[in-house]
Amino acid sequence: DAGVIQSPRHEVTEMGQEVTLRCKPISGHDYLFWYRQTMMRGLELLIYFNNNVPIDDSGMPEDRFSAKMPNASFSTLKIQPSEPRDSAVYFCASSLHGSYEQYFGPGTRLTVT
Amino acid sequence: RKEVEQDPGPFNVPEGATVAFNCTYSNSASQSFFWYRQDCRKEPKLLMSVYSSGNEDGRFTAQLNRASQYISLLIRDSKLSDSATYLCVVKEAAGNKLTFGGGTRVLVKP
Repeated sequence: DAGVIQSPRHEVTEMGQEVTLRCKPISGHDYLFWYRQTMMRGLELLIYFNNNVPIDDSGMPEDRFSAKMPNASFSTLKIQPSEPRDSAVYFCASSLHGSYEQYFGPGTRLTVT
Repeated sequence: RKEVEQDPGPFNVPEGATVAFNCTYSNSASQSFFWYRQDCRKEPKLLMSVYSSGNEDGRFTAQLNRASQYISLLIRDSKLSDSATYLCVVKEAAGNKLTFGGGTRVLVKP
C-alpha cells in the first residue's frame, strides 16, 4: 500500500516567491496533519484537518501560511511570500479515527534563499 | 518552558550495551504517550505506545510516571541499527493533536 505521498521532495526558491507543498494522505484516513521541523524548534504542528475541515490552526506561524484540503485525498500548504526563516522540512501525516498512530510522509525539504 | 522536554544527546552507546533516557512533560492532563523513532533525513515512525503499567516490545521497555510527569525508554542489547533520534510524544485528553519533544539522539558504535 502507498503511504503518505508528498511533493515536491525538495524545493529551492528565492525570498518573496510563492511555495506550494502537496500531500496525499493514506486512503481512508480521516485526519491530516502538517508539521514543520527545524534543528532549533524541532517538530511543530502547524495545522490539522478532520474530514477535510481545519480543526486547529494555532500552529500556523502567520498569515503568509495557508492550508487547504479540498477533498479527502489531497491537501496543500502554501507560503506566500516565502522568507529565508521558512527553510525547514515540512511533513504531512495522516491517521485514522480511533487510532493515535500518525503515518508521516517523506517530507519536503524547503530552502528559501 | 517546552511542553515536552528531552535531553538532545547524543548518547554514545557501545554495541550490546543498555541505554536509557527520559522525557518530561508539563501538561498534567496529558492522556496518551508514545515513542517515535526518526532516522537521519527520514520521517518519524511510531516505535511504541507507553502504558501506565509500563510495557516491553522486544529489546525496548517504556515506563510512565504520572506523578513526576516523565516517560522513559530503555534499549537493551543495543544494535547498530538502533542509531536514530527518539522522539517523546504526548497527546492531551481532547482532540488528536500530538506534541513532540525535540528528540534524543542515540549513536550505537561497534
